[in-house]
Amino acid sequence: AQSVTQPDIHITVSEGASLELRCNYSYGATPYLFWYVQSPGQGLQLLLKYFSGDTLVQGIKGFEAEFKRSQSSFNLRKPSVHWSDAAEYFCAVVDSNYQLIWGAGTKLIIKP
Amino acid sequence: NAGVMQNPRHLVRRRGQEARLRCSPVKGHSHVYWYRQLPEEGLKFMVYLQKENIIDESGMPKERFSAEFPKEGPSILRIQQVVRGDSAAYFCASSPELAGEGTQYFGPGTRLLVL
Repeated sequence: AQSVTQPDIHITVSEGASLELRCNYSYGATPYLFWYVQSPGQGLQLLLKYFSGDTLVQGIKGFEAEFKRSQSSFNLRKPSVHWSDAAEYFCAVVDSNYQLIWGAGTKLIIKP
Repeated sequence: NAGVMQNPRHLVRRRGQEARLRCSPVKGHSHVYWYRQLPEEGLKFMVYLQKENIIDESGMPKERFSAEFPKEGPSILRIQQVVRGDSAAYFCASSPELAGEGTQYFGPGTRLLVL
């Protein structure tokens, strides 16, 4: 069965520092991969997605993610975080029934 | 363009009562998905509906939970005889067609608290 693993439950970084959130997936075919962000009390917003082609995808708010098939990973990165990036981040993959399978999420805490 | 709307945003129920969660998809979208987010867990798929049809309910608990998406009006997720374990955030998403590309648009969620 397809699954998504986000190994870090919480990550704390200083404002202005770089960020990398890890995501590993288990899926037999070429996956469709997504990162969503959920701000406190808010719904989910799509940050970026990967279907095919260039393995480095650019998203909104200065985020990017790199698909690495050999590592079954789709890590999210940002070169310099802002306090407003504090939120929970979810990685997801579309399964063979076209449903989104979600990781457990990573809470990002920004230190001033 | 109005996005996906969910109401109420917060719902408090006592054990044994019924909870009704409403979802109005993006105008023109005919596919609706419901997800549940339990505290400290990720989102779990519950049910996928098209107008008047349940397409996939593999994620729905077998008892007390039901969903509908009528021809007119919002999609409803209904939880009968709620228990404390039903406390969670329930998210609705919609898409214009079969979301093979995963481009689902999410609502703000309904936070259900069962006392």
